[in-house]
Formats: sequence, C-alpha cells, structure tokens
Amino acid sequence: EAQVTQNPRYLITVTGKKLTVTCSQNMNHEYMSWYRQDPGLGLRQIYYSMNVEVTDKGDVPEGYKVSRKEKRNFPLILESPSPNQTSLYFCASSLLASGTPHEQFFGPGTRLTVL
Amino acid sequence: AQSVAQPEDQVNVAEGNPLTVKCTYSVSGNPYLFWYVQYPNRGLQFLLKYITGDNLVKGSYGFEAEFNKSQTSFHLKKPSALVSDSALYFCAATPFYDYKLSFGAGTTVTVRA
Repeated sequence: EAQVTQNPRYLITVTGKKLTVTCSQNMNHEYMSWYRQDPGLGLRQIYYSMNVEVTDKGDVPEGYKVSRKEKRNFPLILESPSPNQTSLYFCASSLLASGTPHEQFFGPGTRLTVL
Repeated sequence: AQSVAQPEDQVNVAEGNPLTVKCTYSVSGNPYLFWYVQYPNRGLQFLLKYITGDNLVKGSYGFEAEFNKSQTSFHLKKPSALVSDSALYFCAATPFYDYKLSFGAGTTVTVRA
C-alpha cells in the first residue's frame, strides 16, 4: 500500500529535550516536506527536500532541522524544543514534474506538546 | 512572496444546496493550484489540481474548481453538498519551477441535514 508513515503519532516532551520525528514514504517520490498546522494559520511549510542530500527552508524553519540521507526518509529534528513548537506536524511526499511538486501525499500527523 | 488566501473561515450550507469555498492566490508567473480536504482527526487528502489547460477542473467526490487567471482565484465547488462533505478544506499554490508550497488558513465547511 502506498503510504507516508510518521512516528511517533503523539509526543509530550519538555523544553530543551532533543527529539526526532521520523517520516518514511514507499512511493519513490523525489519531493518530501514537513508542515505544521496551527488553528487559524493553516499549514505552514517548515522544510522541504527535492532529492537526496538536497533540502531547503520553507516559511517557518527556525528551531527545526532536517536531513535526507535516503530517498524514502525525511526526519524532522527539534534540537531544543520550546512551547511555541507545540503543534500538529505533517510529513508529505510527491513527485516532481517540470521542477514543481505535484499533489502531496500526507502522513497521518504527529501531535507534539512541549511543556 | 507567494501567498494563498481563503477569505471565509466557515461556510455553512444545507444538504443538497450548492457549496462554494473561495480561494485567491498570489504567485509569480503561472501557478500550480491544489485543493485538499481534512476530515476530523485525519490527515489531508488531495481533491484536485490545476496545472494547465481547461479552467474547470474536476476532482474526487464530485468536487470541481474553476481557475480564473484575471481574478487570481481558484474556487472549489460542489453542485449538491452532502453531510459527509463537512470537513476542513485547504487551498494551496506553488509557481512553476519552484519548490515552495503555500497553503491557505483553511475553511471549515458544515453541511446540515
């Protein structure tokens, strides 16, 4: 089954404790991206990757890191989480055509609470 | 900078009536445009997209959207709404040859029986 998986689905942590949210896709997609969803703000792009070892900042990259060592995996790293990073996080992947991402396939989401 | 606006936070319609969810965009050059739907406690699902060609695009679950270049709009429509269409809808845009995606703030649709 074609899918994007994220782990964990729920996470409660404390300020400053490093964490990683994993994301994996089995569709051989070139493009992968992380978003955060906050009420009234919609989805905001954190980071995206066009291919292995190629990543770039989205609209809200501060406080986050990513890596793309393999095509299928795109982990999101919070090195020192803060309460303002409490949010619902989505990973997504898609094909690239004409240098542009096509429809995104989304993971189930990770609800992160930072105390 | 690119942006997407969904001017209505909420849309309420009666079952069987037409449904319209509005979206306007601001991107440089030609846009790729998308609509996604999020059902309660679920991830986002792709509904439809406009890349080029016919301005009226048909998608999943009976939804369609009309691209209007002069008004920079991409409104989502359904001729006859169902209670099961109640969900959160997002419009998204990206310019050709760009990797950044911008989403609107979302519109909550409630269809009453």
